[in-house]
Amino acid sequence: DQQVKQNSPSLSVQEGRISILNCDYTNSMFDYFLWYKKYPAEGPTFLISISSIKDKNEDGRFTVFLNKSAKHLSLHIVPSQPGDSAVYFCAASGLNSGYSTLTFGKGTMLLVSP
Amino acid sequence: SQTIHQWPATLVQPVGSPLSLECTVEGTSNPNLYWYRQAAGRGLQLLFYSIGIGQISSEVPQNLSASRPQDRQFILSSKKLLLSDSGFYLCAWAGRGSYNEQFFGPGTRLTVL
Repeated sequence: DQQVKQNSPSLSVQEGRISILNCDYTNSMFDYFLWYKKYPAEGPTFLISISSIKDKNEDGRFTVFLNKSAKHLSLHIVPSQPGDSAVYFCAASGLNSGYSTLTFGKGTMLLVSP
Repeated sequence: SQTIHQWPATLVQPVGSPLSLECTVEGTSNPNLYWYRQAAGRGLQLLFYSIGIGQISSEVPQNLSASRPQDRQFILSSKKLLLSDSGFYLCAWAGRGSYNEQFFGPGTRLTVL
């Protein structure tokens, strides 16, 4: 049973445009969400997070939006750059695990073309 | 600053051989430690995590095991590798009392032939 879902395996965007990566979750106990970026043959790097007490968090070109009622979050990258091409993982955490573990989605591969 | 090391970076092993992957963290104490596997074309699967020396939680039953002999050392082992054990193995750490932002090592690419 997949509790964190990234339904788009891949996304192609032109440089300078907005990239929107989506993530859905089913476990209502999740209340902290994270996005990671991963290049091939490297470990994921933490990008940005959001707590359920907020509906938006910004960090430079990256913004995460959370819609609790829809159990949906999205990562916006504006403007997209070729160096953003990577696999993006959505992850969730909550009291159900004492915040000690993360549940990851399967990832979305973003390709930003020049 | 904190750093996390994994070795080896790549490993090719025959079926039935043993395995030992090592992970160490520097610059922090009492971290939570994690082992993940990413199989080809798949997401990140949590294998084991530890909140302290000698404390190991297993998330997926399989022929792998983990140990934490020291505070900042986490070891992934197998007595006999299977073909299905091939994948990219990642170690991660998180600070205590945090919302569990995990920080990952560079990974080990394991190929079982």
